[in-house]
Parts: sequence; structure tokens; C-alpha cells
Amino acid sequence: AQSVTQLDSQVPVFEEAPVELRCNYSSSVSVYLFWYVQYPNQGLQLLLKYLSGSTLVKGINGFEAEFNKSQTSFHLRKPSVHISDTAEYFCAVTINDYKLSFGAGTTVTVRA
Amino acid sequence: DTGVSQDPRHKITKRGQNVTFRCDPISEHNRLYWYRQTLGQGPEFLTYFQNEAQLEKSRLLSDRFSAERPKGSFSTLEIQRTEQGDSAMYLCASSRDGTGVPQEAFFGQGTRLTVV
Repeated sequence: AQSVTQLDSQVPVFEEAPVELRCNYSSSVSVYLFWYVQYPNQGLQLLLKYLSGSTLVKGINGFEAEFNKSQTSFHLRKPSVHISDTAEYFCAVTINDYKLSFGAGTTVTVRA
Repeated sequence: DTGVSQDPRHKITKRGQNVTFRCDPISEHNRLYWYRQTLGQGPEFLTYFQNEAQLEKSRLLSDRFSAERPKGSFSTLEIQRTEQGDSAMYLCASSRDGTGVPQEAFFGQGTRLTVV
């Protein structure tokens, strides 16, 4: 079975600084990878996904992620964060088209 | 379309009572998913429907849990004889049919269940 490990449970960062959220996955077969964001009192929202092709994936709100098959990683980055990026971020993996396995989440707190 | 809606948003119940949650997916989506999220954890897959057919159930879904999606529209998740361990956020999501490639799943805001 596939699984996801998010290496940081909490990431504090100053406004306009870069941020990287680390995600490693485990699977014996090819995977599809996702990053979701959950703002307070809102549902999960898709930031970006890797299905195939280019390993550098660009998403909404200036986020991007790079799929690294040899390191089984899918780290999320943003070069300059805003206060509004304060949220919980979830990495997810699937080997099919219906069942996502999520990591435990990373809480990002952006400070002025 | 207003997205995926769930009702109620919060439910407090006494141990041993039955509860039922409702999910209204995005209208053109034929897939509907239920996940459970406990504090400090990511969502865990419970079950999913393709139209009205329930195609997979997680081992997390004990015999006390039942989900339905009559006519392939809204879905209900019922928990019988609730236990304190059932306390969690229950998330519903919907998507188009992936036909082998996962489509974007749109999530509702969830129903937070507290069993006292």
C-alpha cells in the first residue's frame, strides 16, 4: 500500500520569505501526487497535482512542486509567502483514480 | 454551483445514539467520496460511489457504518451505536469520473462529530 510522510508538522515563516514543505511517499508502483490546502473553516482545496510529464508542476497562488522519483519526494515551494498563505497543507498520493492517501499535514504560519 | 455541501456542520451526540450525515456533491460529478479526519491527522478514505454504486469500502468502515447514494445524487453516511472513537471530522468530496486518471476532488467543509 502507498503512504505519505510529511516531514514537518509546523513551519513558521516570515512574510515575503520563501517556504518549502517536504513530502515523501512510499509505493511499489507508479503514483499520482497532490498537494491540498485547508484554510481555517474551509474545505480542502487542490493546489497542484502531478499526473505525468514534466516533473516541475505549477499550481495556484504561486506554489510549485517538483516530483523526484529517485528520492520519492514531492516537495512544495513558494518563493515569497503572504499572510494569507497561513493554512494547513496536505500531501496526498494515489495509485488509482479514486482513493487518496494523505499525509498528516503541515501547518504553515506566516508572520509579519 | 456552490460546491460540495455537507449537513450538519456540527453534531454532538451521546454514545450509543445513531447519527446521519448528508452530502450534496457538485451536480455534474458522478463520483462521491467519504473521508474521516481525526485531530492531527490527514483525511482517511472511507468509501466511494460511482453514480449510485458503492465500489469500495475501507476496513475503517465497520459494520456500524453505512453509506448510500440513492439515484446517484446526494449521499448519506449513517453511524449506528456511536462510540467515542467515532469523534472526528467527516469529509465528503466529489469529482468527475477519472477513467483511470484521477480527477480533481472537490471537498466539502465537513461535519464535525463529537460523541460524549
